[in-house]
Amino acid sequence: AQSVTQLGSHVSVSEGALVLLRCNYSSSVPPYLFWYVQYPNQGLQLLLKYTTGATLVKGINGFEAEFKKSETSFHLTKPSAHMSDAAEYFCAVRKETSGSRLTFGEGTQLTVNP
Amino acid sequence: GAGVSQSPSNKVTEKGKDVELRCDPISGHTALYWYRQSLGQGLEFLIYFQGNSAPDKSGLPSDRFSAERTGGSVSTLTIQRTQQEDSAVYLCASSLVASGGPTGELFFGEGSRLTVL
Repeated sequence: AQSVTQLGSHVSVSEGALVLLRCNYSSSVPPYLFWYVQYPNQGLQLLLKYTTGATLVKGINGFEAEFKKSETSFHLTKPSAHMSDAAEYFCAVRKETSGSRLTFGEGTQLTVNP
Repeated sequence: GAGVSQSPSNKVTEKGKDVELRCDPISGHTALYWYRQSLGQGLEFLIYFQGNSAPDKSGLPSDRFSAERTGGSVSTLTIQRTQQEDSAVYLCASSLVASGGPTGELFFGEGSRLTVL
């Protein structure tokens, strides 16, 4: 079985500070990993994904994540937070099966303080 | 349409009533998913449709929940005899599996917020 754990249901940073949202996964097979963002009253939007190849993945809005197999982690970072980054962020994992479900973490609510 | 469309956006119902939630996926997307998002919790998988294959219903929480997808496009999620614990946001997503494979992006609708009184 595969699962995703997001450490910290709420993270608060100051504008301009580093954003670090943690995600660890457990999977019996090499996973495909995703980060989605949900702005208030909107659906989820893909930020970035790791499939194969380069372990450092760059996404939209200046976010990036690094796949570390030895640590079973896929943490999301952004060097400098912006007020518009305030949202809920979800880490997700999918097995190597075409079209199969995504398993999501419980989400991390990011607050950016002025 | 340009994106995944869900209706109604908000639904308030009384305990014991049946409700239907509709999802209109992106044209051409062969895969369709239903998830449930409860307050303070992550996304809970409910059901997955892929083309003409039998749907993966393994996430449906009880036999009060059912879903169908007609003509490989629009999907309806039905909840019978609603209970207060069914209150949640029900999210629909679609993806283009044929080319996307297991790495394919899911495109989500804005959800249907269900409140059971």
